[in-house]
Amino acid sequence: GENVEQHPSTLSVQEGDSAVIKCTYSDSASNYFPWYKQELGKRPQLIIDIRSNVGEKKDQRIAVTLNKTAKHFSLHITETQPEDSAVYFCAASTAGGRRALTFGSGTRLQVQP
Amino acid sequence: GAGVSQTPSNKVTEKGKYVELRCDPISGHTALYWYRQSLGQGPEFLIYFQGTGAADDSGLPNDRFFAVRPEGSVSTLKIQRTERGDSAVYLCASSPITTGELFFGEGSRLTVL
Repeated sequence: GENVEQHPSTLSVQEGDSAVIKCTYSDSASNYFPWYKQELGKRPQLIIDIRSNVGEKKDQRIAVTLNKTAKHFSLHITETQPEDSAVYFCAASTAGGRRALTFGSGTRLQVQP
Repeated sequence: GAGVSQTPSNKVTEKGKYVELRCDPISGHTALYWYRQSLGQGPEFLIYFQGTGAADDSGLPNDRFFAVRPEGSVSTLKIQRTERGDSAVYLCASSPITTGELFFGEGSRLTVL
């Protein structure tokens, strides 16, 4: 089955700096890669996703890149703000997301004001 | 409400007891997922329903775990002979399947004493 590894497990940045979280996956058939944000005590919520037919996707301060050859994908947050503090999970799935997601172990991002 | 609803939000039980956790998905979402999240970990896939049938139950850890979705809407996760290792937050998510985005509930926190 799919195995998703995520690092770092914790990340502390100063407000305004950029943050990068990286994930690798094992199943070359995976073609859907979402990122979820989970604030303390809250439910995970989708913040951005990318499909294997593109290499990069941006949404305001958030971007995701995908390298299918190397089987890794990354989340980039620019101009970080205190409200970006949360746990971020990457995930991978086959069939364009119409299969169960395999999640990484999470990255706790702390943005220092 | 418009979101995924899970009950109970908290359940404390004794080792060996039977528990049921309920999930009411977003109306019209045909796909329903159960995940389990332990402290400091990413969600771990348990089972996925497409309509009334279990499309993938490969994540159920053993035969003490069972889930149903008899009418293609509400789902119940059933755990027999609970063990202390079953303690976790059980997350339910639904999806309109066409996008792959999962909409999570707030979770049911299960504590087995």
